[in-house]
Amino acid sequence: ELKVEQNPLFLSMQEGKNYTIYCNYSTTSDRLYWYRQDPGKSLESLFVLLSNGAVKQEGRLMASLDTKARLSTLHITAAVHDLSATYFCAVSGGGADGLTFGKGTHLIIQP
Amino acid sequence: DGGITQSPKYLFRKEGQNVTLSCEQNLNHDAMYWYRQDPGQGLRLIYYSQIVNDFQKGDIAEGYSVSREKKESFPLTVTSAQKNPTAFYLCASSSPGQVEYQQFFGPGTRLTVL
Repeated sequence: ELKVEQNPLFLSMQEGKNYTIYCNYSTTSDRLYWYRQDPGKSLESLFVLLSNGAVKQEGRLMASLDTKARLSTLHITAAVHDLSATYFCAVSGGGADGLTFGKGTHLIIQP
Repeated sequence: DGGITQSPKYLFRKEGQNVTLSCEQNLNHDAMYWYRQDPGQGLRLIYYSQIVNDFQKGDIAEGYSVSREKKESFPLTVTSAQKNPTAFYLCASSSPGQVEYQQFFGPGTRLTVL
């Protein structure tokens, strides 16, 4: 059974600081996804990581994947208030199968 | 504009009633999915369909049913057998033609049992 664990589950940080969210998964997977969810809203796709060593960056967010360690990280650089949201990682079981999600990291960025 | 629509946005159900949630996409995607989200939790897979007239159970299919008669539509029925149906329901679609199989999500339906 594929399991996905995120930590921390809750993070409060100040603007301008850097921080990392971690995502561990239990079995081999060929794709890892990061999503953002604002309160009461649906999910917005941030990154898709396909291979070992993959790194993608968009603005102040950077995601990386280590398939050997079964670990992905989402790094936030010089955080701003607008990045406050819940961030989910999700792992594919293969092909067009459904995704297995972590419980999410609720991120609050204080001015 | 291409996208995924879900209706209704809010739905209230009495205990013992079946209700059907609508999901439509005009992205020409082959695969469609239903997830359930409980407060403070991640999403859990209910059912998915990779092609018309075929679908598979996800992790929490008990008490739910689906159909896939058309490529663009994947309705979810929450039956009276589902003991705790109050949740946020999200529909998604993806295209196997894309190597990333990226799943795009609809706006969601919030179901409350009275």
